[in-house]
Amino acid sequence: NAGVTQTPKFQVLKTGQSMTLQCAQDMNHNSMYWYRQDPGMGLRLIYYSASEGTTDKGEVPNGYNVSRLNKREFSLRLESAAPSQTSVYFCASSEATETQPQHFGDGTRLSIL
Amino acid sequence: AQSVAQPEDQVNVAEGNPLTVKCTYSVSGNPYLFWYVQYPNRGLQFLLKYITGDNLVKGSYGFEAEFNKSQTSFHLKKPSALVSDSALYFCAVRDLLYNFNKFYFGSGTKLNVKP
Repeated sequence: NAGVTQTPKFQVLKTGQSMTLQCAQDMNHNSMYWYRQDPGMGLRLIYYSASEGTTDKGEVPNGYNVSRLNKREFSLRLESAAPSQTSVYFCASSEATETQPQHFGDGTRLSIL
Repeated sequence: AQSVAQPEDQVNVAEGNPLTVKCTYSVSGNPYLFWYVQYPNRGLQFLLKYITGDNLVKGSYGFEAEFNKSQTSFHLKKPSALVSDSALYFCAVRDLLYNFNKFYFGSGTKLNVKP
């Protein structure tokens, strides 16, 4: 069982470059999420998608865009990377019922020089 | 606003001793609470949840958590710690009042279990 798959696992960018982080889930979940994890700050929600065709801003959306390509896939794009976006990015998915937890991928470690 | 707090950045315990990782919550309405564990270079893994009912919830790997409504706490416990329990632990609450698609996470507690 793959669960939530994120690519790439590691990436180094230069300031101003763009890139897209990919996420796919095989659990038929409606809801998908992008978080960033920084030391001492826990997880902060960047964007989420409650269902295919919808996306909404989270706590820290500035500098990011997302696309819910289909039910399985939810991508995160950095248009012009900045050093402040150096972080570990996690994708998660969950069923659309409130009693269920989230399932996480193993993260993308992104460094911006 | 809905939130959870983990007052300890780090907890140290000797192998074989009981462990407690603390979490307090602040929510409007009924809290749906979760504990996750994160091992190095991995994503968060679900351990257990409190939705309703029995205040003592049992989860994976021998962990349990006690929900205390009067103290607004949801502490994670294990009777006998293992070195392999060393990891980062996160408490989270699901926002049932405004947007149940949102989860709020604590800042995490690093558990160190020493042989």
